[in-house]
Amino acid sequence: QKEVEQDPGPLSVPEGAIVSLNCTYSNSAFQYFMWYRQYSRKGPELLMYTYSSGNKEDGRFTAQVDKSSKYISLFIRDSQPSDSATYLCAMSGGYQKVTFGTGTKLQVIP
Amino acid sequence: EAGVTQFPSHSVIEKGQTVTLRCDPISGHDNLYWYRRVMGKEIKFLLHFVKESKQDESGMPNNRFLAERTGGTYSTLKVQPAELEDSGVYFCASSLPGTDSGNTIYFGEGSWLTVV
Repeated sequence: QKEVEQDPGPLSVPEGAIVSLNCTYSNSAFQYFMWYRQYSRKGPELLMYTYSSGNKEDGRFTAQVDKSSKYISLFIRDSQPSDSATYLCAMSGGYQKVTFGTGTKLQVIP
Repeated sequence: EAGVTQFPSHSVIEKGQTVTLRCDPISGHDNLYWYRRVMGKEIKFLLHFVKESKQDESGMPNNRFLAERTGGTYSTLKVQPAELEDSGVYFCASSLPGTDSGNTIYFGEGSWLTVV
C-alpha cells in the first residue's frame, strides 16, 4: 500500500467551476502538507504549504488538512483554463524527505 | 533570483553508458535534494544533501547511482552503467537551512533521461 493515495484523474471541469482535489495518507508522522502544480514538461511548483491540521487560503486556492482522517484537500474557486495542470499532493514528517502522490491531471474547459 | 537549474534538460543514452546530471540550487540553499519520476509512478525521493554532506540517501536505488556535492554548491548525479529502468525524469530541488523552511522546497525543471 502506498503511503499517499491520489486519484490520477483526469478531471475535466468547465471554466468557473469549483475544483476539489484530494489525497489520503497512512503515515501518522506526516506534519507538513503541500500542494504542487506541474505543467507539462516542467518541474513541480509549490502552490500551498500547511503545517498540521487546519485550513489555509491564498487567493482562489484553499488547502485543508484533516489529520484525524488522514485526508487533505485543495479547492480551486473560479477555475481558469490556466489552472489546467497536474496537481501533486506531497507531505513529510519534517525531516526533509517528501513523499508525493501520483498527481491528478486537471483540465479546465473554456 | 535564479531558480534551481538542471543540466542537461534531455539526454538519450544507450544501455551500459554513463550519464551525469548536474544541479545548481538556489543561492544560499544549503539543502539539496534529488528526486526521480519513472513512467507512470509518483515522484520519489533519492537523497538529500546538507551543504556537502549526505543527510539521507535512503532512496538511492542501487550502487549504480552516485551523487556528489563537492564544496556544498552544485551537485551531480551519475548513473553508471545506465539500465533501461533508469529512464525517467530526475528532479533536483533545494531549500533554505533550518527545519521549518525545509518543506518549502523549490524544484528545477528536471533532466529527462531516456535509456535505449
